[in-house]
Amino acid sequence: AQKITQTQPGMFVQEKEAVTLDCTYDTSDPSYGLFWYKQPSSGEMIFLIYQGSYDQQNATEGRYSLNFQKARKSANLVISASQLGDSAMYFCAMREGPSGGYNKLIFGAGTRLAVHP
Amino acid sequence: EAQVTQNPRYLITVTGKKLTVTCSQNMNHEYMSWYRQDPGLGLRQIYYSMNVEVTDKGDVPEGYKVSRKEKRNFPLILESPSPNQTSLYFCASSLTGGRNSPLHFGNGTRLTVT
Repeated sequence: AQKITQTQPGMFVQEKEAVTLDCTYDTSDPSYGLFWYKQPSSGEMIFLIYQGSYDQQNATEGRYSLNFQKARKSANLVISASQLGDSAMYFCAMREGPSGGYNKLIFGAGTRLAVHP
Repeated sequence: EAQVTQNPRYLITVTGKKLTVTCSQNMNHEYMSWYRQDPGLGLRQIYYSMNVEVTDKGDVPEGYKVSRKEKRNFPLILESPSPNQTSLYFCASSLTGGRNSPLHFGNGTRLTVT
């Protein structure tokens, strides 16, 4: 079974508009971390934002925010005021388990975002 | 600048010719890992290391070797590359292997084996 599901293979948005990229996850462990990464066409993998399962507040980093709905097991990425440079592949990922020890990072299949001028 | 540095960025080689992809991080991270990324298969973990001299297999370790003799370095060795190892490779590190520790990735190595 897929641990991380990103149902939108591709999305487009107009420049300066906000966009939400969906992510749902599957775990029975109460302790986990959720991450979003950006992969531009140049290929590098850039860490954007982190949300812990016990965090009470939604995470924010500049124009990125994470809409964390624990009961629904969703962790959607919201990009506000889209810019042309936001065009990229976006991956949702999860690490589950205790904070000590080893927890593998599991990735979703990704969503390709295109920002139109 | 805090970063993960992997080299080379691009590599074209022939079947059977041993190669090493280097990876170094300057953040004093305990945990390091190698991934490969292939169309339709996503990102798959090859090997990981929890600390110096501690390495373990990921999901797709066959055909690869690693070593962790120093905390900062985690090279990936292909003793006898084959065409099915053509892929985009990423080295990554995090402060710990724990759930709240983001992985930071290098810029990737595009390997082509002919």
